[in-house]
Amino acid sequence: QQQVKQSPQSLIVQKGGISIINCAYENTAFDYFPWYQQFPGKGPALLIAIRPDVSEKKEGRFTISFNKSAKQFSLHIMDSQPGDSATYFCAASSTGNQFYFGTGTSLTVIP
Amino acid sequence: DVKVTQSSRYLVKRTGEKVFLECVQDMDHENMFWYRQDPGLGLRLIYFSYDVKMKEKGDIPEGYSVSREKKERFSLILESASTNQTSMYLCASRVTGYEQFFGPGTRLTVL
Repeated sequence: QQQVKQSPQSLIVQKGGISIINCAYENTAFDYFPWYQQFPGKGPALLIAIRPDVSEKKEGRFTISFNKSAKQFSLHIMDSQPGDSATYFCAASSTGNQFYFGTGTSLTVIP
Repeated sequence: DVKVTQSSRYLVKRTGEKVFLECVQDMDHENMFWYRQDPGLGLRLIYFSYDVKMKEKGDIPEGYSVSREKKERFSLILESASTNQTSMYLCASRVTGYEQFFGPGTRLTVL
C-alpha cells in the first residue's frame, strides 16, 4: 500500500499566490521528510527537508509544516512564480536507504 | 556540484531482450539507488547498494538485477524485458546523511 499519501494530484495557482501540497504517513518510525522538485526531462532535486523534532522549516519562499500527532506534513510555496511550475514529491524515510515517495503533485503557476 | 549521469536518456527495446542501464556518480558516494517512476505511482525503489558488490532489494526487485563492480558505477539489468517494464528509470546516489542526488533519468520503452 502507499506508505505516503500526497494530495492534490494537480494544482493551479496564480502568480503571487500560495501553493500548498499535503502529505500523510502512517509509519511513526519515519524520521526524515524531504520534498523534491522535478522539472520535465530532469531528475528530482531536493528542495527542503525536515526532521520530526521541529514543526516548521523555512527556506526562502518554501516552508515545510510538520504535524507529528496528525502524521501529516505540507509544503507551502509563498509568492508562487511561473518558474515554480514543476512536479513536487514528498517522501519519508527511517533509514536513509529506503525512501517512500508520494505520487506527486503537478503545479502550474499562471502568470 | 554532484553529478549523476545515466548512459541513455531514451531507450527502445524489444520484449525478451536483455537491457543494461548504467549510472555513474562522480562524488565517491557510498550509496547508490535505482528507482522507477510511473505516473500516479511516484518513485519506487528497485534496488540499492551501500558498497561495492553489496546490494539490497527495494520494493519492486522482481524482473531486475543490479551490479556494482566499482564504487562510481551502478548498473540495472533487465534480464528479459517485458512491456510492463516500460517506465522512467532514475538513478540516485548519496554519501552520509539522507540527501539523494538524482540523475536525469532513462525513459525505457519495451515493445
